[in-house]
Amino acid sequence: EVQLVESGGGLVQPGGSLRLSCAASGFTVSSNYMSWVRQAPGKGLEWVSVIYSGGSTYYTDSVKGRFTISRDNSKNTLYLQMNSLRAEDTAVYYCAMGIAVAGAPFDYWGQGTLVTVSS
Amino acid sequence: SYVLTQPPSVSVAPGKTARITCGGNNIGSKGVHWYQQRPGQAPVLVIYYDNDRPSGIPERVSGSNSGNTATLTISRVEAGDEADYYCQVWDSSSDHWVFGGGTKLTVL
Repeated sequence: EVQLVESGGGLVQPGGSLRLSCAASGFTVSSNYMSWVRQAPGKGLEWVSVIYSGGSTYYTDSVKGRFTISRDNSKNTLYLQMNSLRAEDTAVYYCAMGIAVAGAPFDYWGQGTLVTVSS
Repeated sequence: SYVLTQPPSVSVAPGKTARITCGGNNIGSKGVHWYQQRPGQAPVLVIYYDNDRPSGIPERVSGSNSGNTATLTISRVEAGDEADYYCQVWDSSSDHWVFGGGTKLTVL
């Protein structure tokens, strides 16, 4: 059974850093593409970043240079390092998985972890 | 950047048909995916590549895509269909994923 479990969310001050984790089971993260999607309170879904099986990474413009997506194949875990956090980064962050084909849908999602950026 | 436009809300009586649109420039040339999100839950894929259903999604849920509009159709609507629905495409020119703004389906 495929499972994605996010962790690492919490309250952080503006300008601070946080690292989110997404532990995967039932499949191999390195064989599929993995994404982070966020949802601000009361708002819609916003794609944040993707890492493909080959290691290529892409980011939405608003987080480029501040966020870094990575994975640890030995731990079968996806990460999102978030630096220089802003109030507008406050959201529930979901990790999602799709098969290793460009344009494929996000077949599986985690339950999300809440990040709150506030002083 | 590529933009997807959805109506904020759609209302339908039980047993009737709900149609949720997703507009985008020449969206008919892209593969469209649809997600259902119930309050407090993670999104769930309900339609992929315009009109394919994942296992477990009932046949009364269908999709179409042509020209500048993709449509999610839910026939014989039930109270349990009440949720937010999002369309999604992959923009190959930027290697970015794009979501529509979401549509809240209300069952009257």
